[in-house]
Amino acid sequence: GAVVSQHPSWVICKSGTSVKIECRSLDFQATTMFWYRQFPKQSLMLMATSNEGSKATYEQGVEKDKFLINHASLTLSTLTVTSAHPEDSSFYICSASFGTGSVTEAFFGQGTRLTVV
Amino acid sequence: LAKTTQPISMDSYEGQEVNITCSHNNIATNDYITWYQQFPSQGPRFIIQGYKTKVTNEVASLFIPADRKSSTLSLPRVSLSDTAVYYCLVGERHGGSQGNLIFGKGTKLSVKP
Repeated sequence: GAVVSQHPSWVICKSGTSVKIECRSLDFQATTMFWYRQFPKQSLMLMATSNEGSKATYEQGVEKDKFLINHASLTLSTLTVTSAHPEDSSFYICSASFGTGSVTEAFFGQGTRLTVV
Repeated sequence: LAKTTQPISMDSYEGQEVNITCSHNNIATNDYITWYQQFPSQGPRFIIQGYKTKVTNEVASLFIPADRKSSTLSLPRVSLSDTAVYYCLVGERHGGSQGNLIFGKGTKLSVKP
């Protein structure tokens, strides 16, 4: 089946620094990818929709200048957390959809655990 | 997007059949029902998708009544490895919002030996 790979799996960074997370669709082209954030014991929250070749669409309450999204190709989207602070510590997950016959399913990356110290 | 309501948690024992019901009273004509499974510190994984009646694959069955206001995910003979959070999602399968999934709180299933 389709595979979405996310890198890194975990990262620890100092407060004030920036962190980049990559999301790749390995065996299919994804014109649209999605970024989610998940805090402990909570559900996934959609942050933004990443569109290849154009600006990302952010959900209400998500700072676009803090969470920079770049979708430079049909197989790669990146999320950069700029000037990270401890409250940005979370589990970040990307996804892309792929249709096979009568089913369209979203494939998720394995997630990135960000810890800001 | 239709809102979904699921039980917060469920307990079961190995070998039992588990049925998780999801309510989606405001489901639209073009909406499909999709279930995902998530283990701790992993991304969600697709389980099954359906529009009406019954759908079955190698891991689960999905029962959808005629009014489509609810659906039931059925997991046959669960094992300890089925302990996870299960999410029911409702939305259009195609179109500009394809893949734009809004997650509810999910159901935490705990399987005991």
